[in-house]
Amino acid sequence: EAGVVQSPRYKIIEKKQPVAFWCNPISGHNTLYWYRQNLGQGPELLIRYENEEAVDDSQLPKDRFSAERLKGVDSTLKIQPAELGDSAVYLCASSLSMTNTEAFFGQGTRLTVV
Amino acid sequence: QQPVQSPQAVILREGEDAVINCSSSKALYSVHWYRQKHGEAPVFLMILLKGGEQKGHEKISASFNEKKQQSSLYLTASQLSYSGTYFCGTNSGGYQKVTFGTGTKLQVIP
Repeated sequence: EAGVVQSPRYKIIEKKQPVAFWCNPISGHNTLYWYRQNLGQGPELLIRYENEEAVDDSQLPKDRFSAERLKGVDSTLKIQPAELGDSAVYLCASSLSMTNTEAFFGQGTRLTVV
Repeated sequence: QQPVQSPQAVILREGEDAVINCSSSKALYSVHWYRQKHGEAPVFLMILLKGGEQKGHEKISASFNEKKQQSSLYLTASQLSYSGTYFCGTNSGGYQKVTFGTGTKLQVIP
């Protein structure tokens, strides 16, 4: 069974440019998460979806970040415009449900803003 | 509120034991443990629910002290494959988000 698939794996962009990350969760997983992980830190939740509904986006910087999960399957996270401080690894994860179940993480996208 | 992990880093020789602690300032409903190898995705180890239940995963086990709002991860007879950064994640209610700690970097040497 395929795991959580993310693309691209790496992205280098200049500041003020837009960037988008794509995630395909494990089939049948209703809950999808986007995390940001800075070097030497634990993953920080940006947004959590239950099917196509965003149920927790309190940590998403809404002035520049946006996300969508069309049809409750694939998801896209966008940053526009990117800032130097956005350099990090962006992880997508999915789980069967929101309640205390194992989350499966993708390999992540390493973003470098120069 | 982010849970606090200790120690921040530890080096072990193969066969030695280690304990990683995770504590929270908030009442906890569950604790989640993950291991992340360098450049890879975090991998699930186990979930502990309130009630002080101890769980095991091969030679890795964990306990959850609800009253002290703490969890400990026990690595017994460590193997080289145990190297990585261990994260605990905590949540205070069934539908609430999991908040991860800053991690404990474990290195097992021959």
